[in-house]
Amino acid sequence: GQQVMQIPQYQHVQEGEDFTTYCNSSTTLSNIQWYKQRPGGHPVFLIQLVKSGEVKKQKRLTFQFGEAKKNSSLHITATQTTDVGTYFCAGPRLYTGNQFYFGTGTSLTVIP
Amino acid sequence: GAGVSQSPRYKVTKRGQDVALRCDPISGHVSLYWYRQALGQGPEFLTYFNYEAQQDKSGLPNDRFSAERPEGSISTLTIQRTEQRDSAMYRCASSLAPGQQNTEAFFGQGTRLTVV
Repeated sequence: GQQVMQIPQYQHVQEGEDFTTYCNSSTTLSNIQWYKQRPGGHPVFLIQLVKSGEVKKQKRLTFQFGEAKKNSSLHITATQTTDVGTYFCAGPRLYTGNQFYFGTGTSLTVIP
Repeated sequence: GAGVSQSPRYKVTKRGQDVALRCDPISGHVSLYWYRQALGQGPEFLTYFNYEAQQDKSGLPNDRFSAERPEGSISTLTIQRTEQRDSAMYRCASSLAPGQQNTEAFFGQGTRLTVV
């Protein structure tokens, strides 16, 4: 079946440090989405990337989609305590429909 | 409604009982998804619908699990003869349209199922 792995599983950073999570799929993805889930909350959509090599920015967050459309990354510059949560990537396999398979997630803790 | 609504929020049931979990998606959303999320894990795909048609049920763990969306709006996930391993958070999400665009999924608060 589809495997979407994320590394690292956990990350602790001092407030102000940068953070990066990497997402790797065993199959080519037609597109990729990123979600953030706060402790006790539900996943909330952040962004969708569709094109090979695409880069998108949202304030301190930078998202990349790999050339082969099998990997992606999320980079946060100068983390803040509001960034705490688990970040998931999710994507459907190419040509197989719209079902989104979620990655294993990276849990971010920001130490003030 | 304003968002995806799931009911009940919490369900405790005895092993062997059947349970039905309800999802009311955002009005007008074509696609509806069911996920199961264990603590500390990512959402695990179960099944999804476009309108009333079930597009993919390959993620349903076994034949005790079924889902329907008869009128293309509200959906019900049914688990028959529940087992303790079925205990988890069950999440529903909806999106405006299938395809490459407008696939942002809006999640409900989830139903926490505990089988005792």
